Amino acid sequence: QSVLTQPPSVSAAPGQKVTISCSGGSSNIGNDYVFWYQQLPGTAPKLLIYENNKRPSGIPDRFSGSKSGTSATLGITGLQTGDEADYYCEAWDSSLSARVFGGGTKLTVL
Amino acid sequence: EVQLVESGGGLVQPGGSLRLSCAASGFTFSDHYIDWVRQAPGKGLEWVGRIRNRANSYTTDYAASVKGRFTVSRDDSKNSVYLQMNSLKTEDTAVYYCVRPTVTMSFAFDIWGQGTMVTVSS
Repeated sequence: QSVLTQPPSVSAAPGQKVTISCSGGSSNIGNDYVFWYQQLPGTAPKLLIYENNKRPSGIPDRFSGSKSGTSATLGITGLQTGDEADYYCEAWDSSLSARVFGGGTKLTVL
Repeated sequence: EVQLVESGGGLVQPGGSLRLSCAASGFTFSDHYIDWVRQAPGKGLEWVGRIRNRANSYTTDYAASVKGRFTVSRDDSKNSVYLQMNSLKTEDTAVYYCVRPTVTMSFAFDIWGQGTMVTVSS
């Protein structure tokens, strides 16, 4: 069971918007930055969002992140079939002294 | 090109040992921490451990699930990091990724290797 909780799956039609939630606690999300990673089928994960809401160079502004209290949200607008992937949230947990991931959310673009 | 390349994966029996290597290129390796993250077949990501840089005394941290069995080390002269895995269990079966946390992004994992598969089975 993961320290951070994500929905197992979400789906939406091409062109639509989807949000993926990530729930944690005071020792992780409530106390530090949240990161988001995208893992396309058969590939290594890729950094999507850092420091809650910042995008690395090359990540389109269709991807956004936010944080409130002990929860975080990844938003994707203008969905494309190429966005079908697993998405993971991640944070540092001060109680565990460890990096912790959510269980991952599979995005299906119908 | 900034790159991390893992090697050393394979099949090992329960209770056995294996050493993974991670070769870095395209950046000043000695300045950076390096972490290991694993992914069991069909499962999510799990952080394994970290080694800091010389400025931070090469200190290490480990996940509870591997503490006392796994050791991360590095050789800055070879731009390489190693993951020594002892007393392996079937639940250690996973793809192991070498990743770079970047301080300018608050230690986000901005560079990932392609991964190396470790199978623990009799």
